[in-house]
Amino acid sequence: DGGITQSPKYLFRKEGQNVTLSCEQNLNHDAMYWYRQDPGQGLRLIYYSQIVNDFQKGDIAEGYSVSREKKESFPLTVTSAQKNPTAFYLCASSLNPGREQFFGPGTRLTVL
Amino acid sequence: GIQVEQSPPDLILQEGANSTLRCNFSDSVNNLQWFHQNPWGQLINLFYIPSGTKQNGRLSATTVATERYSLLYISSSQTTDSGVYFCAVDPNSNSGYALNFGKGTSLLVTP
Repeated sequence: DGGITQSPKYLFRKEGQNVTLSCEQNLNHDAMYWYRQDPGQGLRLIYYSQIVNDFQKGDIAEGYSVSREKKESFPLTVTSAQKNPTAFYLCASSLNPGREQFFGPGTRLTVL
Repeated sequence: GIQVEQSPPDLILQEGANSTLRCNFSDSVNNLQWFHQNPWGQLINLFYIPSGTKQNGRLSATTVATERYSLLYISSSQTTDSGVYFCAVDPNSNSGYALNFGKGTSLLVTP
C-alpha cells in the first residue's frame, strides 16, 4: 500500500530533550518536505530535500535538524534549541520538486 | 515573500447548500493546490490546479493565474465536508518548490 507514514502519532517531550520524528514514503518520490502547523494557522516550511543527501533550510529552520540518507526517509529532529516546539508536524513528498505534494498523517508534539 | 489570503475565514452552511471559497495570492506561481484538513489533521488533496478549471464530483476549482486568484466550489454540501480548507501556492522564486499556505477557511455543515 503506497503512501507516506509518520511516527509516532503523538509525542510528549520534557524541556531540554531532543526528539526525532519519523517520515517514510514508498512512492519513489525525490522531494520531501517538513512543515509545522500551529493552532488556527496554515503550514510553515521547516526543511526540504530535493534529492538524497541534500537538504535546505526553510522559513523556520532554527532549532530543527534533518537528514536524507535514503530516498524514502526524511527524519526531523526537534532540538532543545527550539523555543516553542509544541505543534503539529506534517511531512510531505512529491515525485519531483514542483509537482503535486502529498502529506502524511502528522505527529502532534507536546512539550511538558 | 508571497502572500496567500483566503476568504471567508469561517463559514456555516446548512446541508445541501452551495458555497464558494476564494484564494488570492500576491505574485505569480508555479503550482496551486487545494486541501481539505479533516478533524484528525490529515491533509487530503483536492486539486492540483496552477491554471484552468477542474471538477471532481461535487467539488470544482478554477484558477485564474493572470489575475492571481483561485476559487473552490462546493455544491450540495454534506456534513462530511466540514473541516478546514487550505489553499497553498508554490511561488516561482520559492526555495525547493515548497508550498506557501493561507490560513484556511473553516467550514461547518449542519444537518
